[in-house]
Amino acid sequence: NAGVTQTPKFRVLKTGQSMTLLCAQDMNHEYMYWYRQDPGMGLRLIHYSVGEGTTAKGEVPDGYNVSRLKKQNFLLGLESAAPSQTSVYFCASSFSRFYEQYFGPGTRLTVT
Amino acid sequence: TQLLEQSPQFLSIQEGENLTVYCNSSSVFSSLQWYRQEPGEGPVLLVTVVTGGEVKKLKRLTFQFGDARKDSSLHITAAQPGDTGLYLCAGGTGNTGKLIFGQGTTLQVKP
Repeated sequence: NAGVTQTPKFRVLKTGQSMTLLCAQDMNHEYMYWYRQDPGMGLRLIHYSVGEGTTAKGEVPDGYNVSRLKKQNFLLGLESAAPSQTSVYFCASSFSRFYEQYFGPGTRLTVT
Repeated sequence: TQLLEQSPQFLSIQEGENLTVYCNSSSVFSSLQWYRQEPGEGPVLLVTVVTGGEVKKLKRLTFQFGDARKDSSLHITAAQPGDTGLYLCAGGTGNTGKLIFGQGTTLQVKP
């Protein structure tokens, strides 16, 4: 099993450009999450999903959109990138709300 | 807003020393998880504690959940260079599995 994979690993965007980050898991997990990690701030939840076709806002959702059309995939979109969105983005999945979260390797995004 | 404060933020010690990392909040959490993260990788779960006063041991690591389920500690005995990394506590909330993360403690163990 590959676990949780994220595509791409690195990306540089110019202000105003758009992009989509892909998260895929092969563990048949119901719950999926998108976080961003900034120095000294731990991980902050952007959006999450409790099952196929569902999404909900987390702690810092502004400027991001998500979709969960298939159970194994969770997409994070930036419609108009801003320098404040420079960060490392992590996707995670979980079997249920009581179980541990499995994290992907992260995507390092720089917006200039 | 629920917050988790970790202390210290940075810790540099010699191999063989003991250390304790603290995770504190004014909010009650249904569970408390500790993760370890190495550079360039995602966090990996070390332990989950769910009962107030619970103590769990994982080799040289001891985790405790406060009686009121508002705080937790991680104690490492005889630290080794392989313990170097970022330690994150995370509190479980609600029915959606959402986690509130502390800001992390960066541990460096020198040989």
